[in-house]
Amino acid sequence: DAKTTQPPSMDCAEGRAANLPCNHSTISGNEYVYWYRQIHSQGPQYIIHGLKNNETNEMASLIITEDRKSSTLILPHATLRDTAVYYCIVRVAPRYGQNFVFGPGTRLSVLP
Amino acid sequence: DGGITQSPKYLFRKEGQNVTLSCEQNLNHDAMYWYRQDPGQGLRLIYYSQIVNDFQKGDIAEGYSVSREKKESFPLTVTSAQKNPTAFYLCASSISRDRGQRSYEQYFGPGTRLTVT
Repeated sequence: DAKTTQPPSMDCAEGRAANLPCNHSTISGNEYVYWYRQIHSQGPQYIIHGLKNNETNEMASLIITEDRKSSTLILPHATLRDTAVYYCIVRVAPRYGQNFVFGPGTRLSVLP
Repeated sequence: DGGITQSPKYLFRKEGQNVTLSCEQNLNHDAMYWYRQDPGQGLRLIYYSQIVNDFQKGDIAEGYSVSREKKESFPLTVTSAQKNPTAFYLCASSISRDRGQRSYEQYFGPGTRLTVT
C-alpha cells in the first residue's frame, strides 16, 4: 500500500471550511484514498473514500488531483465537534479481511 | 441499533496477569480486527479474523492471543508475555465478501483503555 504524508496539525475557525491535505505520490492505479477520523479516546470513524473522481457525502468532500498524487478532504462548515485526528489511508480495495494501516494523521483543532 | 461494543471502557490489571478484552458486533460482518494504539501514534494491527474459527497474526501479535468461536465475537487476551500492555485497544469489523457494495470500510468499537501496573 502507498505511503501517505499529512501535516501533523492544523487549525480551522468554526463555521469555515477545513481543508486537510494528503500526499500520496507513490499511489498506484488500483489504490483507493480513504479518510477516517478519530475523536479523542474513541474508535476511528469512516468519512469517505474515492479512486479518481471527486466524491461527496453528508460528512465531507474528497478532491483527488488528476495525477492522483495528492488529495484534500474538505469539511465544508467545520464545527467544534469536528476536532479530531484525521487519517488519510491509501490502499487497494480491501481484499478479504485485510486491514487498514493508520499513520499518525493530522490533528485538526476547530477554534471558536 | 447495529454496531460494535467493547467492554469495559477502562481496565486495570497487575503485571503478570492475563486479561481478556471483549468485542461483540451485530453487523453481520465476517471479518474482525484488533488494533493497538499508543499515545500520539497511529493504529497497529494485532490480529484479524476473516471467518469463524480462523484468525491471522498482524504486525504485533506477540504476547496476545485471540479466538473466533462465533461470528459476533472476537475476544483478545493480553498475556503476561506482552512486555508493554498498557495501551488503547480497538476492535473493528468489516464485510469480507463482495455483496454488491463499493467499499469495505471498517467499523470501529469505542475502545478499551488497558492500564497494567
